Amino acid sequence: LAKTTQPISMDSYEGQEVNITCSHNNIATNDYITWYQQFPSQGPRFIIQGYKTKVTNEVASLFIPADRKSSTLSLPRVSLSDTAVYYCLVGDKAGANNLFFGTGTRLTVIP
Amino acid sequence: EPEVTQTPSHQVTQMGQEVILRCVPISNHLYFYWYRQILGQKVEFLVSFYNNEISEKSEIFDDQFSVERPDGSNFTLKIRSTKLEDSAMYFCATYSGSPDTQYFGPGTRLTVL
Repeated sequence: LAKTTQPISMDSYEGQEVNITCSHNNIATNDYITWYQQFPSQGPRFIIQGYKTKVTNEVASLFIPADRKSSTLSLPRVSLSDTAVYYCLVGDKAGANNLFFGTGTRLTVIP
Repeated sequence: EPEVTQTPSHQVTQMGQEVILRCVPISNHLYFYWYRQILGQKVEFLVSFYNNEISEKSEIFDDQFSVERPDGSNFTLKIRSTKLEDSAMYFCATYSGSPDTQYFGPGTRLTVL
């Protein structure tokens, strides 16, 4: 499993765009990058997954450079309800595989 | 959106007692998982279950732990003799393949005194 490194915490004001970067220098050729969100006292929730370049859905965008050694989760115009821990996972695409979470990034959105 | 449900939401027990945590998977999901999260720490994989048997288990999942799907709907985690260090949030997750992601339940907070 590729090791991932993320900032421990980030603060942002409401309405701003937030970018959380994850480093994964040892990513394997067939690995995908997946981001999960976890609110306090809740289970993690899938946000977005990508392999290369850019992926966008209704919640976030994921930017992956050509060397794939890092990735950036972008949350547009955050609100207070986006306060959560965000996890970057690297591994086989198949959702059936066991998930191995790191410590994540605790995002606090300030009014 | 379909949901995984877990009961109870909070369980308090004495050390050495047996506990059973229950999960109701999303209908037609066939892969089931238990994860745990000790307060302030990361989410850790415990066990995966498919086709009525354990697919994979972590080092944490020792002989004190067991899982089963007793009636084809519920998915349970049993801890035979709880220890203080078993205090944690326990999350059930399920997967079907479409969409290609695991769905987590809200968790059961287990407190061992």
